[in-house]
Amino acid sequence: GAGVSQSPRYKVTKRGQDVALRCDPISGHVSLYWYRQALGQGPEFLTYFNYEAQQDKSGLPNDRFSAERPEGSISTLTIQRTEQRDSAMYRCASSKQHAGGNNEQFFGPGTRLTVL
Amino acid sequence: AQSVAQPEDQVNVAEGNPLTVKCTYSVSGNPYLFWYVQYPNRGLQFLLKYITGDNLVKGSYGFEAEFNKSQTSFHLKKPSALVSDSALYFCAVRDWGTGRRALTFGSGTRLQVQP
Repeated sequence: GAGVSQSPRYKVTKRGQDVALRCDPISGHVSLYWYRQALGQGPEFLTYFNYEAQQDKSGLPNDRFSAERPEGSISTLTIQRTEQRDSAMYRCASSKQHAGGNNEQFFGPGTRLTVL
Repeated sequence: AQSVAQPEDQVNVAEGNPLTVKCTYSVSGNPYLFWYVQYPNRGLQFLLKYITGDNLVKGSYGFEAEFNKSQTSFHLKKPSALVSDSALYFCAVRDWGTGRRALTFGSGTRLQVQP
């Protein structure tokens, strides 16, 4: 079956521009997560949705970063007024809902963002 | 706070030999533990998880991991390595007592299997 998809796969932008990164989770997966991965590091949590509700945004580095999932399926991560330090791989993951939250997360291929 | 340490940046092993990739964790409560593998230009793939029960967990592609609560470790193992196992491996933890769903990942260990 189809996995998590992300678009675009690569994005090059100039400093100061806004970017929108899209994530399409596995069909039927209730939970959706955004992570950021710097080169040579593990993914770092940004934010998490259950259905359309943003449950945890504690990992968003500042108010230039925002995310939404208005219909509980596709999600968009938006970075306003991009800076060079925002350059990284942005990864989306989804998982089934479980009361205990022990379901594994399935990751998409990521969007490589480069800010010039 | 929850954290993960992968003390080895790289592990080298000959094909056919057993392999171990180390992971230690820190949580205030009880852990959910995961291993993921990353191949070049691809996303992270789930290998296995420890939730509760047996300390030895078996996963995909012949990998297994042993949960050791006293040593706060969750080392990844395979009895006989393949060249195709060469990849970047990440350990991750979630403290289920906190209610947070976010995974905390280690910095990764590159496994190189020589033919």
